[in-house]
Amino acid sequence: NAGVTQTPKFRILKIGQSMTLQCTQDMNHNYMYWYRQDPGMGLKLIYYSVGAGITDKGEVPNGYNVSRSTTEDFPLRLELAAPSQTSVYFCASSQIVTGIGYNEQFFGPGTRLTVL
Amino acid sequence: GNSVTQMEGPVTLSEEAFLTINCTYTATGYPSLFWYVQYPGEGLQLLLKATKADDKGSNKGFEATYRKETTSFHLEKGSVQVSDSAVYFCALSDRGQGAQKLVFGQGTRLTINP
Repeated sequence: NAGVTQTPKFRILKIGQSMTLQCTQDMNHNYMYWYRQDPGMGLKLIYYSVGAGITDKGEVPNGYNVSRSTTEDFPLRLELAAPSQTSVYFCASSQIVTGIGYNEQFFGPGTRLTVL
Repeated sequence: GNSVTQMEGPVTLSEEAFLTINCTYTATGYPSLFWYVQYPGEGLQLLLKATKADDKGSNKGFEATYRKETTSFHLEKGSVQVSDSAVYFCALSDRGQGAQKLVFGQGTRLTINP
């Protein structure tokens, strides 16, 4: 099992450019999430998905789009990149576990994005 | 809304010292509480969790007790090692089996010197 994989590891964008951050999980998890981590701050939820074809906004969705066409993949799209989107982006996945009140999220290694 | 506050970092200790990282939370209802750890160059990993009041989560010598009366979930370890150097995040989520929208504290960077 590779777990959660993210590409690229690093990227520098110019203002106004667009890009897609890739996220793939091989654990057959229903739930997937995108977070951003700003320096000295905790992670903030951008978007999440409860299954293929179903996505919803998190705390900081503006400037981003997502899609979930398969169970495995959950790409994050940045349109018109802005310096405020400079951050480290983490993808995570989790599965329903009945009866225990939580489900553990498994994180990818992150993508460090700089917008200049 | 829900929020998590961690003690300010960074924290630097000598090997075998006692560690406490404070975490307090604000939430409606009865959240589940977590500590995640991020080693250099890696993603976050779940370290321990507690899902109801007075539960004690433990793993790798770390412990934290869910204190509803003080809305706290402080992380402790009796004797730290150099390999414990990492960033530690306290987090909460609403209880339930659905998608869990984690709310994180700002993280505490821990450095252990030999």
